[in-house]
Amino acid sequence: DADVTQTPRNRITKTGKRIMLECSQTKGHDRMYWYRQDPGLGLRLIYYSFDVKDINKGEISDGYSVSRQAQAKFSLSLESAIPNQTALYFCATSDPALGVSYNEQFFGPGTRLTVL
Amino acid sequence: DAKTTQPPSMDCAEGRAANLPCNHSTISGNEYVYWYRQIHSQGPQYIIHGLKNNETNEMASLIITEDRKSSTLILPHATLRDTAVYYCIVRVVNAGNMLTFGGGTRLMVKP
Repeated sequence: DADVTQTPRNRITKTGKRIMLECSQTKGHDRMYWYRQDPGLGLRLIYYSFDVKDINKGEISDGYSVSRQAQAKFSLSLESAIPNQTALYFCATSDPALGVSYNEQFFGPGTRLTVL
Repeated sequence: DAKTTQPPSMDCAEGRAANLPCNHSTISGNEYVYWYRQIHSQGPQYIIHGLKNNETNEMASLIITEDRKSSTLILPHATLRDTAVYYCIVRVVNAGNMLTFGGGTRLMVKP
């Protein structure tokens, strides 16, 4: 079984709809991240969380919100989706207790979101 | 974080070594060099990282110049499955937050 899972894997929605993307991990890591990737570009950070009580905005948080329901779950919401939020979304985890590789992040398979 | 510069694309023959360069001329003394790769829309995968010494693992080798202003990721015997976008990232260890992905190098391994 995959250590980091994302649901749904693909989603098509309409402008103005609320949508939630979910991420679950079995790695026991405290830190979780949400990134988006646009075609031909690198990943950009949306939000990150260092533990259940900690939420931080990333580079492009406008139009998004998150919820860290438990150590293993980190959800990304688009309150009112718009077409330029069409992208590939990745969840990732990391654990500083792993040692010097503090920035080794483990990524989920991605969610392809299309907003019409 | 220091910015990185990578060629947008490279080709490599299957079975040959792939050498992917990265320039990070503004790197600070406490910044590590990390390499990740992304195979066609999958989640990025960690490859290797280093501070100033050369590093090797089961996937690749990382050569960092003495002045640390550039580095090279070496895939010793590239296979078709190594076709991917390779990202070079410099980051302060334990700064606490995100990786900053640039455009990366699209490596095409050809038969």
